[in-house]
Amino acid sequence: AQSVTQPDIHITVSEGASLELRCNYSYGATPYLFWYVQSPGQGLQLLLKYFSGDTLVQGIKGFEAEFKRSQSSFNLRKPSVHWSDAAEYFCAVATPGNMLTFGGGTRLMVKP
Amino acid sequence: DADVTQTPRNRITKTGKRIMLECSQTKGHDRMYWYRQDPGLGLQLIYYSFDVKDINKGEISDGYSVSRQAQAKFSLSLESAIPNQTALYFCARRQVERNQPQHFGDGTRLSIL
Repeated sequence: AQSVTQPDIHITVSEGASLELRCNYSYGATPYLFWYVQSPGQGLQLLLKYFSGDTLVQGIKGFEAEFKRSQSSFNLRKPSVHWSDAAEYFCAVATPGNMLTFGGGTRLMVKP
Repeated sequence: DADVTQTPRNRITKTGKRIMLECSQTKGHDRMYWYRQDPGLGLQLIYYSFDVKDINKGEISDGYSVSRQAQAKFSLSLESAIPNQTALYFCARRQVERNQPQHFGDGTRLSIL
């Protein structure tokens, strides 16, 4: 069975600083990988997805993620964080049948 | 996601009551899902449906039931609510084609006293 680990429960960064959120997955085959963001009181919004091809994927709101098979990782990055990026971020892996398994989430706080 | 509508958005009820959470989507997608979210656990799959006549249990289906009344509607029921079912519940939809992500509603916050 697949699993996803997000090692950091909380992260605080200063506005304008760079950001990296970690995600490690366990899955026997080539994974389908996703990052979602949840703002307070909102549902989950898809930031980006990886299915195949280029291992560096671009998403919305200036986010990108890099798939590293050798490290079983799919870390999310942003070069310069904005206060509006404060939210909870979820990494997820899907089987070919598209059943999603989520990590526990990382809550991002942004200092002015 | 405005294309997935969940009602109610918030509900407080008592132990032992029957509760129904409703979900509708306007995209005509075949696949629909119900998840619950608990702090630190991410989202866990309760039930999913690939078609009106194809309903399947997820990893935490005990205490829940579902009904796919139409392609656009997928309801989640708690027959006799208990306090540890207090959580945030999400519905999602997905196109059947390969490489399509799931899209989520805004959630229902359910509190059981």
